Amino acid sequence: QKEVEQNSGPLSVPEGAIASLNCTYSDRVSQSFFWYRQYSGKSPELIMSIYSNGDKEDGRFTAQLNKASQYVSLLIRDSQPSDSATYLCAVSGRGSTLGRLYFGRGTQLTVWP
Amino acid sequence: DAGVTQSPTHLIKTRGQHVTLRCSPISGHKSVSWYQQVLGQGPQFIFQYYEKEERGRGNFPDRFSARQFPNYSSELNVNALLLGDSALYLCASSLDKGTNQETQYFGPGTRLLVL
Repeated sequence: QKEVEQNSGPLSVPEGAIASLNCTYSDRVSQSFFWYRQYSGKSPELIMSIYSNGDKEDGRFTAQLNKASQYVSLLIRDSQPSDSATYLCAVSGRGSTLGRLYFGRGTQLTVWP
Repeated sequence: DAGVTQSPTHLIKTRGQHVTLRCSPISGHKSVSWYQQVLGQGPQFIFQYYEKEERGRGNFPDRFSARQFPNYSSELNVNALLLGDSALYLCASSLDKGTNQETQYFGPGTRLLVL
């Protein structure tokens, strides 16, 4: 059973600050990693995917992957109140579990004005 | 293009009843996956279907079953409902090119309450 752990939160940052969300995973050979945002009462919405070690930037969002440390993070620059949501880290399966996503419990982020 | 659609949006059932949830994937997507999300937890994988065949099943009892139709839409059935089945049921679709870089896009979900 793959395990995906996220920093427990809740995380609270002021508007304009950088929010840092962290995730570790147990399966050393995992290949694909995803960050989803979920507003209260809504379904998960894809923010970023990352497959290779290093950084991947998309607007105010940067995903960082370190496979040696089995660690993936999401940085949100210039945080806005509209970023307030639960952020889910997901890791894809491989082999017989290809196509499955394994999720962490999520980190609740609040950005206050 | 329309995204993933699910019906119904909300459902209230009593223990012992059965329920059928429906999902239509994004046009052109051939794979549908089902997830259960209990309050305060991340989604948990239930099933994946591709080209009408079950590709994978998560750690759920046999009360849970699903199928995929020729138009790639899918149904999730749950029999003998228990209180613990109360959750948000999410359907996700993907193109499925057979790689491990498939992105799954979620529908709005069906919120099931079992009384």
